[in-house]
Amino acid sequence: RKEVEQDPGPFNVPEGATVAFNCTYSNSASQSFFWYRQDCRKEPKLLMSVYSSGNEDGRFTAQLNRASQYISLLIRDSKLSDSATYLCVVILDTGGFKTIFGAGTRLFVKA
Amino acid sequence: DTEVTQTPKHLVMGMTNKKSLKCEQHMGHRAMYWYKQKAKKPPELMFVYSYEKLSINESVPSRFSPECPNSSLLNLHLHALQPEDSALYLCASSQRTSGQETQYFGPGTRLLVL
Repeated sequence: RKEVEQDPGPFNVPEGATVAFNCTYSNSASQSFFWYRQDCRKEPKLLMSVYSSGNEDGRFTAQLNRASQYISLLIRDSKLSDSATYLCVVILDTGGFKTIFGAGTRLFVKA
Repeated sequence: DTEVTQTPKHLVMGMTNKKSLKCEQHMGHRAMYWYKQKAKKPPELMFVYSYEKLSINESVPSRFSPECPNSSLLNLHLHALQPEDSALYLCASSQRTSGQETQYFGPGTRLLVL
């Protein structure tokens, strides 16, 4: 079983749609959780940190469920510019910061 | 400012060459990272430095040799690489923000080994 699992997609949605991505992690000692966005041939860019209390940034909402070891990202009112790969990232503090990426979920938003 | 810089942007090298990748951050971040990313795959962690000491080596072959000369700089020395080592090499640095170790990535060095 992979340490961080994501549905690779692709998700093909029309503009204005709401889309949800999910991610599960296997190590209960995981301490930091993030969603990153990566455009083709670019570096990953931090989208949001993820907390148990949930957090929202404009059209984006992220949620962490520690009991189920599950992370989610909701994008409302999708824009063409949201087309990218969304990476779920988990960090374990093992004396160093072991960082594990999910495989990424590819999103295509179409006009 | 959350800028991490990397040089060079592109590098072509032969299997007998020795080259180095450089990474720099001036944000006072305490940890720095090297990742390797192949096309259509997520980044894979190679090395982590915490307070200038190597804290994680993810069983990376010895032809990759990291070095952290000071808290702002991270190098990756390359020697006798193989064609399958061609990839995007990403550097990142991190700091603790709101209880989470938050990483910021540089633009990467695209490496081609011939």
